[in-house]
Amino acid sequence: GENVEQHPSTLSVQEGDSAVIKCTYSDSASNYFPWYKQELGKGPQLIIDIRSNVGEKKDQRIAVTLNKTAKHFSLHITETQPEDSAVYFCAASKSGGGADGLTFGKGTHLIIQP
Amino acid sequence: EPEVTQTPSHQVTQMGQEVILRCVPISNHLYFYWYRQILGQKVEFLVSFYNNEISEKSEIFDDQFSVERPDGSNFTLKIRSTKLEDSAMYFCAIYRTSGGAIEQFFGPGTRLTVL
Repeated sequence: GENVEQHPSTLSVQEGDSAVIKCTYSDSASNYFPWYKQELGKGPQLIIDIRSNVGEKKDQRIAVTLNKTAKHFSLHITETQPEDSAVYFCAASKSGGGADGLTFGKGTHLIIQP
Repeated sequence: EPEVTQTPSHQVTQMGQEVILRCVPISNHLYFYWYRQILGQKVEFLVSFYNNEISEKSEIFDDQFSVERPDGSNFTLKIRSTKLEDSAMYFCAIYRTSGGAIEQFFGPGTRLTVL
């Protein structure tokens, strides 16, 4: 089955700086890659996703890149703000919906230093 | 109003007892999912459910787990005989479209504590 590795486990950046979180996956059949943000005591919330027919996607301060050949994808957050502090999870699946469950990485605890 | 609610928010039970966790989506959805998250660990897929049948399940979803949609609205996860290692957050998710995109949308979770 699919295996998703995520790095780093903890990332501390100064407010205003950029943060990058990286993930690799093992199953070449995976073609949907969402990123979730989880705040303390809450469920994961989708912040951005990308499909394998796209190499990059951007939404304001957040961007995701995908390299299908190398089987890795990354989350980029620019101009970080205190409210960006949370745990971020990458995930992969074959379709993103339907019967497929998502396979998650272990998460990155992002800390924004004031 | 939240799209998905889960009850209870926190369940404490004794080892060996049965628990039922409930998920109530606000509108009609085709696919439902259960995930669990052991404290401080990653979110793990348990099962997907479509048209009143299990579509896919992980190796975690063994015979002590079952799911059903008894009344066409509530979606339940039953753990027959709880073990200490079942202590975790359990998230219900739905498959929804939003602004032309599709996503798995997660509920707020139920914290299960097995003593």
